[in-house]
Amino acid sequence: AQSVTQPDIHITVSEGASLELRCNYSYGATPYLFWYVQSPGQGLQLLLKYFSGDTLVQGIKGFEAEFKRSQSSFNLRKPSVHWSDAAEYFCAVVSGYSTLTFGKGTMLLVSP
Amino acid sequence: AAGVIQSPRHLIKEKRETATLKCYPIPRHDTVYWYQQGPGQDPQFLISFYEKMQSDKGSIPDRFSAQQFSDYHSELNMSSLELGDSALYFCASSSGNQPQHFGDGTRLSIL
Repeated sequence: AQSVTQPDIHITVSEGASLELRCNYSYGATPYLFWYVQSPGQGLQLLLKYFSGDTLVQGIKGFEAEFKRSQSSFNLRKPSVHWSDAAEYFCAVVSGYSTLTFGKGTMLLVSP
Repeated sequence: AAGVIQSPRHLIKEKRETATLKCYPIPRHDTVYWYQQGPGQDPQFLISFYEKMQSDKGSIPDRFSAQQFSDYHSELNMSSLELGDSALYFCASSSGNQPQHFGDGTRLSIL
């Protein structure tokens, strides 16, 4: 079965510093991968997706992610974090008919 | 742009009561998904519908049922509510292979 692992439960980054959130997937074929962001009590907002093609994908809010098949990874990056980026970030893979299987999430804290 | 609309936003029920959650997908989206997110947990897939037919089933309890109507809106019916059903329930919609777009969720609290 498809699965996603986010090894970091929470990460603290200084405002203005760079960010990398890790995501590893388990899937036999080429996966459809996503990153979503969730602010407290809010819904899930799509940041970016990877279906095929260019392994470096650009998303909203200055985020990007790189698909690395050799490492089964799809890490999320941002060159300079803003305080408003503090939220929980979920990596997800399409499984079943077209449903999403999520990782456990990484809580991002931004320090001044 | 229109988003996924869920109602109500908050719902408080007592044990053994029933609840109905509603979801209005983005116009022209043909697939609706329901997810349950417990406190501090990741969203767990419950059930999905494509063109008003159930397309996939996840960890949905037998006490829950759902359907998609002719106008593509969907309802999640929950009976014999238990304390453990307290969670945030998300609806998402999509069209074709496009990513799912999520609503803001319904927060269900069981007293």
